[in-house]
Amino acid sequence: EPEVTQTPSHQVTQMGQEVILRCVPISNHLYFYWYRQILGQKVEFLVSFYNNEISEKSEIFDDQFSVERPDGSNFTLKIRSTKLEDSAMYFCASSKGSYTEAFFGQGTRLTVV
Amino acid sequence: DQQVKQNSPSLSVQEGRISILNCDYTNSMFDYFLWYKKYPAEGPTFLISISSIKDKNEDGRFTVFLNKSAKHLSLHIVPSQPGDSAVYFCAGPRAGNNRKLIWGLGTSLAVNP
Repeated sequence: EPEVTQTPSHQVTQMGQEVILRCVPISNHLYFYWYRQILGQKVEFLVSFYNNEISEKSEIFDDQFSVERPDGSNFTLKIRSTKLEDSAMYFCASSKGSYTEAFFGQGTRLTVV
Repeated sequence: DQQVKQNSPSLSVQEGRISILNCDYTNSMFDYFLWYKKYPAEGPTFLISISSIKDKNEDGRFTVFLNKSAKHLSLHIVPSQPGDSAVYFCAGPRAGNNRKLIWGLGTSLAVNP
């Protein structure tokens, strides 16, 4: 069964460093998303991406964040200068349409020290 | 303001019994709802959805009920199995073109053998 895959599963980085979280969405999906969940808090929407551009972003997704679909299969989230409060589980998701359920990857645990 | 609330952080049920997970929402702009299940160290997986034009949707052991007048939905699992032990999230897409999901905090279900 097709699935969304994310790498790495765990990333430890020093504050101020750049990180890139990678995702391979399901191949025939057209909508891509990043969500995060800080320990003990809600799952929060970060950004949605469609037709090679950001279609919506939350207030969390500031200038330190960027997304890219560098080729036909990968979807990346870059955090330019990480802060301690960026420590969270980051989930990538994809869906066929904007009105269909999203399928999630297993997540990348980002720890900023 | 669109919000989704799951007021019970945890639920414990005996194997074979019914599990009922509840979710409330704050306004009528949601036009469908989804339930996701999440195991530790994994991403959320889609479980079942319900459109706002229905009051019930059933899929095997899982049934979701929607009470629009009360702005309340519930997920019933019958019979509950130990493998159902997970965190269950209620989510609804925000009205608008891009359908970002608004999530509840989740309810941790423990099914005891």
